[in-house]
Amino acid sequence: EVQLMESGGGLVQPGGSLRLSCAASGFTFSDHYMDWVRQAPGKGLEWVARTRNKANGHTTEYAASVKDRFTISRDDSKNSLYLQMNSLNTEDTAVYYCVRGSRDSSGYYNFDYWGQGTLVTVSS
Amino acid sequence: DIQMTQSPSSLSASVGDRVTITCRASQGIRNYLAWFQQKPGKAPKSLISAASSLQSGVPSKFSGSGSGTDFTLTISSLQPEDFATYYCQQYDNYPLTFGGGTKVEIK
Repeated sequence: EVQLMESGGGLVQPGGSLRLSCAASGFTFSDHYMDWVRQAPGKGLEWVARTRNKANGHTTEYAASVKDRFTISRDDSKNSLYLQMNSLNTEDTAVYYCVRGSRDSSGYYNFDYWGQGTLVTVSS
Repeated sequence: DIQMTQSPSSLSASVGDRVTITCRASQGIRNYLAWFQQKPGKAPKSLISAASSLQSGVPSKFSGSGSGTDFTLTISSLQPEDFATYYCQQYDNYPLTFGGGTKVEIK
C-alpha cells in the first residue's frame, strides 16, 4: 500500500524557515517523481515544486512564487522527500501535500497518490 | 503560465443525476489533463489522468474527455459520496496549474 506521511509543519514567524519531510512507503521511491502541492485555507490547489526520479537525475522545478526561497530535495536511501522553506511570508500559510508522480498512459509524469498534508502557518 | 478555467464554480444536483464539469485551458495542452476530487478536510484524490484514463480503483461512473483546450469530467449517476470539490490540472507545461475548482453540492 502506498503511504505518504508529511511532518514538520507548524507555526513560524514571517521571515523564518521551516523544513517539511515526507516519509514514503509501499513503492520503489527512486522510480518516481515527487512533488509538493499546497492549499491555502479555503482556497484551491497550488503546485509548489517537483523533483524528478533517479533516472532523470533528480532535477527540479519550482513555482515562481517559491523559487529562490524553497528547495525540494530527496533521499532515495531513506525513501524521503523534503521541502526547505526560507524567507516565509504570510502568503505561504497553507496545508502542504506530498504527492507521488507516476508515468501515465501518455508517458508523462503526473500526480497519483497524495499524503494527508501538514499545516504551515506563517504569523507573528 | 497556462490558466485553467473550470465551470461552473459550483452546482447543486440530486442523487442519480448526471453531472458534467468543464475545464478550459488558456492554450493547447494536448491531453495532459488530470482531474482530482477533494472532500472537506481531506487530501485530494486522483481520479483521471491523460484526460480520460481512470486511476486504479476509481469507479467507472467517472469519465473524462477532451483534448487541446476543452475538457470535461462526467459523473454518470451522482451518489452521496460524490459530493465534493473537483479540480482539473494541466501538466503539459511548467508551472503545473490547477483550475479553481467546482463544488458539487446536494440539491
